[in-house]
Amino acid sequence: RKEVEQDPGPFNVPEGATVAFNCTYSNSASQSFFWYRQDCRKEPKLLMSVYSSGNEDGRFTAQLNRASQYISLLIRDSKLSDSATYLCVVSTSGTYKYIFGTGTRLKVLA
Amino acid sequence: EAGVAQSPRYKIIEKRQSVAFWCNPISGHATLYWYQQILGQGPKLLIQFQNNGVVDDSQLPKDRFSAERLKGVDSTLKIQPAKLEDSAVYLCASSAGTGGPNTEAFFGQGTRLTVV
Repeated sequence: RKEVEQDPGPFNVPEGATVAFNCTYSNSASQSFFWYRQDCRKEPKLLMSVYSSGNEDGRFTAQLNRASQYISLLIRDSKLSDSATYLCVVSTSGTYKYIFGTGTRLKVLA
Repeated sequence: EAGVAQSPRYKIIEKRQSVAFWCNPISGHATLYWYQQILGQGPKLLIQFQNNGVVDDSQLPKDRFSAERLKGVDSTLKIQPAKLEDSAVYLCASSAGTGGPNTEAFFGQGTRLTVV
């Protein structure tokens, strides 16, 4: 079983739609969680960290469920510019090791 | 603030040749990572340095890949000899190394390697 798993998609959604991605992780000692965004042929960039209580940044909401070992990302009112691959990242306690999921491709359609 | 610098941006080599990639992390960042990203997949961690010591290299194919980080700053990743399946983007990243939820890993633009 992979350490971090994501549905690869692609998710094709119309502009204005709400879309949600899930990510599961296998190591219960995981401590820090992130969502990165990667545009085509570009490097990954941090979208948002995921806090235990959940957090929101504009149209983006991240949630963490430690009991079930998954994190989620919700995008509301999708824009064309949201089209990208969204990578789930998990860091294990004490090692500062960042493990990436496969990524979920999102395409927002006009 | 200067970002993570990598070179070269692109490299095409024949199989069985050798190649080296260079990375200069953000100043003051203790942790440096090398990732391999094959098309359509997420980045796979090859090796992680904390200052100039190796923290994790469990997924580094040590029969052909090697990496070093001299004086805890710049790093080089070498492949010798290259195989066709090494064709990928090699990403270098650095972080302040505290590991908490506010510790972001910053990536360089990557080196796109094609082995023919």
